[in-house]
Amino acid sequence: EAGVAQSPRYKIIEKRQSVAFWCNPISGHATLYWYQQILGQGPKLLIQFQNNGVVDDSQLPKDRFSAERLKGVDSTLKIQPAKLEDSAVYLCASSLEGWTGAEAFFGQGTRLTVV
Amino acid sequence: GNSVTQMEGPVTLSEEAFLTINCTYTATGYPSLFWYVQYPGEGLQLLLKATKADDKGSNKGFEATYRKETTSFHLEKGSVQVSDSAVYFCALSVGGKLTFGQGTILTVHP
Repeated sequence: EAGVAQSPRYKIIEKRQSVAFWCNPISGHATLYWYQQILGQGPKLLIQFQNNGVVDDSQLPKDRFSAERLKGVDSTLKIQPAKLEDSAVYLCASSLEGWTGAEAFFGQGTRLTVV
Repeated sequence: GNSVTQMEGPVTLSEEAFLTINCTYTATGYPSLFWYVQYPGEGLQLLLKATKADDKGSNKGFEATYRKETTSFHLEKGSVQVSDSAVYFCALSVGGKLTFGQGTILTVHP
């Protein structure tokens, strides 16, 4: 079974530039998550999709971050404009269903450095 | 809101030593509890989980018991190996939304 695919693996940009990350979840998984993991901290949920609808985006900085999940499959996360404090690993995860006991499967992540 | 607190790290042990990593949580509703592990150069992966009070999750010699009365989910292993060196994250889920602790770095020396 193929895992969660993310690209790119690494990205370096200057502040005020824009950047986009792509995620392809495990086939058949209805729920997709984007997490931000700052060095030395645990992952923090940015947005949760159920199929192509948003379930929770309460911690997404909507003035600069946006995310979409077209046709309930692939997803993109965009930052525009980037700030220095956005330097982090961005993790995509998926689960079969968004219920309390469901296991989430994580991709390798995209390491973003803003200089 | 929901939150998870893990013991201060990092933890350094000799091979075959006993491991405990403490985890306590605060949650609204009835959460499921998880331990995720991140090996060097790899992505986060599920180590074990428990979905209701008094359940014990176990995998690869690791165990954790869901203690509702103490709101805890401590991770234990009787005899660690060098290959257990990794970062361990305690997490809770309510409605499929995972909330993570800050992670504990474990290093095991031969």
